[in-house]
Amino acid sequence: DTEVTQTPKHLVMGMTNKKSLKCEQHMGHRAMYWYKQKAKKPPELMFVYSYEKLSINESVPSRFSPECPNSSLLNLHLHALQPEDSALYLCASSQFSGTGYSGANVLTFGAGSRLTVL
Amino acid sequence: AQTVTQSQPEMSVQEAETVTLSCTYDTSESDYYLFWYKQPPSRQMILVIRQEAYKQQNATENRFSVNFQKAAKSFSLKISDSQLGDAAMYFCAYRSPATSGNTPLVFGKGTRLSVIA
Repeated sequence: DTEVTQTPKHLVMGMTNKKSLKCEQHMGHRAMYWYKQKAKKPPELMFVYSYEKLSINESVPSRFSPECPNSSLLNLHLHALQPEDSALYLCASSQFSGTGYSGANVLTFGAGSRLTVL
Repeated sequence: AQTVTQSQPEMSVQEAETVTLSCTYDTSESDYYLFWYKQPPSRQMILVIRQEAYKQQNATENRFSVNFQKAAKSFSLKISDSQLGDAAMYFCAYRSPATSGNTPLVFGKGTRLSVIA
């Protein structure tokens, strides 16, 4: 299995709703990432998890709450979002390794979850 | 901090022709990795090709090849025999060595490639 699976593909929510995005991989990758992508823009890093621990938080508002319950799963909990949070949310994963194994440096992306906040 | 610059917001190419997408980057590191990712309208980010900075030989993957000029910090992508399925947004990306395992990708702004039948 060489895929990263994201659910749901599309999500519409109101500003008072609580929802979650889910990401799953079974490649044995121990680094997982959340990126946010607005239309016609490059992905922007939100969070990085290493061995199920949060290692990078790019000053993301607290209305986004990441969770990594195990080595295969990554969640993004959403609460009290704003319309400007509407975007494509991409999950990615990668191996851990020292230099010499170039494949370890490749991020594998999911197809994304398209979020619309009304 | 590393930065990646793609100076061509849009490009077009005739089917079966060759096109080159430009990318430059800025870094003080000597060891790093460079990537080209493709994002079609389906929005899946797909790896096209990768290059390790310590390798002098340019990477190739079928119709895709790169021109890696380390001293000039340039990493262009050449697509030969362009096909309609190559139409997509192409992102150049940089990554520091994954010795700590969690260094993220730094993306350029992207180049939208259109393929004309």
